[in-house]
Amino acid sequence: AQSVTQPDIHITVSEGASLELRCNYSYGATPYLFWYVQSPGQGLQLLLKYFSGDTLVQGIKGFEAEFKRSQSSFNLRKPSVHWSDAAEYFCAVVASNAGKSTFGDGTTLTVKP
Amino acid sequence: DTGVSQDPRHKITKRGQNVTFRCDPISEHNRLYWYRQTLGQGPEFLTYFQNEAQLEKSRLLSDRFSAERPKGSFSTLEIQRTEQGDSAMYLCASSSPGQSTDTQYFGPGTRLTVL
Repeated sequence: AQSVTQPDIHITVSEGASLELRCNYSYGATPYLFWYVQSPGQGLQLLLKYFSGDTLVQGIKGFEAEFKRSQSSFNLRKPSVHWSDAAEYFCAVVASNAGKSTFGDGTTLTVKP
Repeated sequence: DTGVSQDPRHKITKRGQNVTFRCDPISEHNRLYWYRQTLGQGPEFLTYFQNEAQLEKSRLLSDRFSAERPKGSFSTLEIQRTEQGDSAMYLCASSSPGQSTDTQYFGPGTRLTVL
């Protein structure tokens, strides 16, 4: 069965600083990988996804993520964070032949002015 | 494309009462998923449908929970004899695997509070 670990429960960065959120997954084959963002009391918004091909994927709001098979990682990055990026971020994996997503427990991002 | 919608957005009920939530997927999507999210956790899979067929159910989906998608369009999730442990956000998502990238798009969720 697949699983996702987000090692950082809470991260605080200053506005304008760079950001990296970590995600490690466990799955026997090539997974489909996703990053979502959730504002308080809201649903999940898709930031980006990886299925195959180029291991560096670009998403919305200036986010990117890099798939590293050797490290079973799919870390999310942004070169310069904005105060509006403060939210909770979830990494998810979907088995290539099944629909359900398995999520990590999320990382809460706080942005300092 | 109006996105996934869920109704109601908030529900407060007393322990022992039955509740029903509705999810309307993106119109061309034939897969529909239900997840439950508790505070400080990521969403946990409950069940999913392809068209009207319920293809998988999680062990989290006890006998008190039932989901339907009678015409392959909207879906309902019913919880009977609610318990305080059922308090959570219930999220619905839809996707279209025919596009070969089974990307799930989520609705805003229904927040259930059981008193």
